[in-house]
Amino acid sequence: EDQVTQSPEALRLQEGESSSLNCSYTVSGLRGLFWYRQDPGKGPEFLFTLYSAGEEKEKERLKATLTKKESFLHITAPKPEDSATYLCAVQANQAGTALIFGKGTTLSVSS
Amino acid sequence: SAVISQKPSRDICQRGTSLTIQCQVDSQVTMMFWYRQQPGQSLTLIATANQGSEATYESGFVIDKFPISRPNLTFSTLTVSNMSPEDSSIYLCSVGRSGGELFFGEGSRLTVL
Repeated sequence: EDQVTQSPEALRLQEGESSSLNCSYTVSGLRGLFWYRQDPGKGPEFLFTLYSAGEEKEKERLKATLTKKESFLHITAPKPEDSATYLCAVQANQAGTALIFGKGTTLSVSS
Repeated sequence: SAVISQKPSRDICQRGTSLTIQCQVDSQVTMMFWYRQQPGQSLTLIATANQGSEATYESGFVIDKFPISRPNLTFSTLTVSNMSPEDSSIYLCSVGRSGGELFFGEGSRLTVL
């Protein structure tokens, strides 16, 4: 069964304190792995797509990496405005275009 | 990306009633998707809505409970029928792009009393 597990469930950081979020997946043939940011009361906002092991993508203070079993979202020197829930999703070859989501990691950054 | 508008943004409904959620996209799209996000849970795909054909439902979701319309390439509706408190959730409309990524509307927060 295709599955996505994110850890930790919640993460509290001080401003400037770098850390990483983890997304472990089991899927029958990975077509793509996606990271989203979701603010309270809003729909998920697309951040990155990763297609193959070794690939990396960066956007401002965020960098996403991918291996054959997991993905990391590295947050460098976070600011309070980075506080949000970060969702990971995978698209399997056999599932067509449907994305399978993890439960997310809720990040809180305090100043 | 696409601009996706959902109505209503939130509603409080009585048990046994039905509510229709509208999704409008600013460009023509082939596939639209309806997700549910329950508190503390993953986003769960309800169904895929293709223009000109019946929606394809995921396991655990049936057409009688969640009828979907897709009259054209920019619009879709999801109805939550005969609601119970267990249907209290956020319902999200999304559209797909060629790279596989999905873009989401702001969601419709439904509370059933």
